[in-house]
Order: sequence, then C-alpha cells, then structure tokens
Amino acid sequence: KNEVEQSPQNLTAQEGEFITINCSYSVGISALHWLQQHPGGGIVSLFMLSSGKKKHGRLIATINIQEKHSSLHITASHPRDSAVYICAVRFADTGNQFYFGTGTSLTVIP
Amino acid sequence: GAGVSQTPSNKVTEKGKYVELRCDPISGHTALYWYRQSLGQGPEFLIYFQGTGAADDSGLPNDRFFAVRPEGSVSTLKIQRTERGDSAVYLCASSFPGGRTDTQYFGPGTRLTVL
Repeated sequence: KNEVEQSPQNLTAQEGEFITINCSYSVGISALHWLQQHPGGGIVSLFMLSSGKKKHGRLIATINIQEKHSSLHITASHPRDSAVYICAVRFADTGNQFYFGTGTSLTVIP
Repeated sequence: GAGVSQTPSNKVTEKGKYVELRCDPISGHTALYWYRQSLGQGPEFLIYFQGTGAADDSGLPNDRFFAVRPEGSVSTLKIQRTERGDSAVYLCASSFPGGRTDTQYFGPGTRLTVL
C-alpha cells in the first residue's frame, strides 16, 4: 500500500532553534517533494529530490532511499517560517500522481 | 502571469448545483494536476493532464467529477450535483515537460463550499 507519514503533526519552537520535520513512505519512490503552505495561502514548492541532499538558504532537505525516509531541516528558525510543511511522494509504480502526507504545522515563537 | 492562477478564489453553492473551477497554468507547462484538500488534510490527487489528454484520472472520486483541457493550456474542473462532502480547497499545479522529478508549481486554490 502506498502511504506517506509525517512527524511530528504539530511543532512549536522558539526563534533560533534548529527544526527537523520527518517524512516516511512505504515503498520505492521516483521523487519526493517538500512543500510549504501558509495559513490561507497557496502551496509553495521548497524542494524536489530523488536522492542525497539539497540546501536553499536556511532550509536543508535530505533523503535516505534505503530507509525510505526524508527530513526537512530549518536552521536558525524565524517566526516567518511558521506554516504547514507537506511531504509528497511519487511512488515508482503509480505513474505521475503524488501522494501527500497530512502535513506538519510549525509555529515559531519570537 | 508569472504563476498558476485559479478562478474563482471562493465559490459558495447549494447542494445539487453544478460548478466549474478554472486553472490557468504557467505558460509552456504541458503537465497540469488537480488536487483536493480538505480541512486539516494533505492534498489528494484528482487528475493529471499531459497536453490535452487526461493521462491519469484515477483520483476522481466518482462520475460527478470531470475535467477538461481542450487546448492543452487552461483546464476546467467540473462538478455535477454537488454534495456537502465536496466542500474543500481545489488546487491546481503545473510543471515543465519531461523529467520524472519535475517541480510542480501550485495555484492559490479555489475554496468550494457546498451548503
């Protein structure tokens, strides 16, 4: 069964803290997508990766294909990072559609 | 425009009515996706177009839902005989052709409320 699980579901951090959000999936994938969704706002793509690690500013995404796991890290967190972070995967056997996790709601307190 | 646009931004309708939701993808993007997001949930895949054809419509929940993309650009999601359970944010995304890791660009969504 194709499943995507994220943890934690909710996360509150103090400004400046290092944050990790996790995503696990059930079977082999061809791509994994990290997305950011602000309250009442649209979805913004952060990273698309299929292996290794990507970095953009204070954001880092890693993926471990063998363990079927990806992490999104935020360094020196800021209140403007407060949003829902969503992991979406394209499974190797399901064509082009993406399966989404339920998201991690992050609140960064000043 | 620079991004994916969707209209209307909000739609309130009565149970049993017909609605159309429109998506304007980024110019040149041949791939177009429709998703539905219920409150507190992640997006759920509905249908994927490559050009004018629906390459994968396995996510459409039933035959009340239908989508078209007649000229390979703008797409319309059509819902017949709406039900209260159809209330959700309907998201559209588009991507560049080719490559299995192509990044999807999302529109702002249409919030549909069925009374």
